[in-house]
Amino acid sequence: EAGVAQSPRYKIIEKRQSVAFWCNPISGHATLYWYQQILGQGPKLLIQFQNNGVVDDSQLPKDRFSAERLKGVDSTLKIQPAKLEDSAVYLCASSSQGNSGNTIYFGEGSWLTVV
Amino acid sequence: SQKIEQNSEALNIQEGKTATLTCNYTNYSPAYLQWYRQDPGRGPVFLLLIRENEKEKRKERLKVTFDTTLKQSLFHITASQPADSATYLCALLNQGGKLIFGQGTELSVKP
Repeated sequence: EAGVAQSPRYKIIEKRQSVAFWCNPISGHATLYWYQQILGQGPKLLIQFQNNGVVDDSQLPKDRFSAERLKGVDSTLKIQPAKLEDSAVYLCASSSQGNSGNTIYFGEGSWLTVV
Repeated sequence: SQKIEQNSEALNIQEGKTATLTCNYTNYSPAYLQWYRQDPGRGPVFLLLIRENEKEKRKERLKVTFDTTLKQSLFHITASQPADSATYLCALLNQGGKLIFGQGTELSVKP
């Protein structure tokens, strides 16, 4: 079974530029998550989708971050304009049934450095 | 608001010993708690889930306990090996139905 795919793996941009990350979850998984992990910290949930609907985006900085999952499969997370404090790993994860106790599978992450 | 605290200092142990990692939480008692392993440059990998009505869960050399009175979970690795060296994250479902993570504890097992 293929895992959660993310791209690009690494990205370096200047502040005020924009960047987009792509995620393809495990086939059949209805729930998709984007987490932000700053070095030395645990992952912080940015947004959670159930199929193509948003379940939780309370911690997404909506003035600069946006995410979509138009067809309920793959998803894109965009940052525009980027700030220095956005330097982090952006982890995509998926599960079959949301937060009911099912296993959440993470991708390898997209490493962003803002200079 | 819900808080999760894990040992912030790295844990260094000798191969063959038992590693014990702690996860404490405040306020709301979660329906379940999970433990993940994260290697450098990789995403977290799920290890174990323990529900509020379970005291203990085992999987091979791993054991997790859940004390809802103390608001604490302990994660044990018996007969530890250098390959167990990684960061271990605990996560719980908060009152808002969101899975939140601790900051992780780095474990180093020396041969």
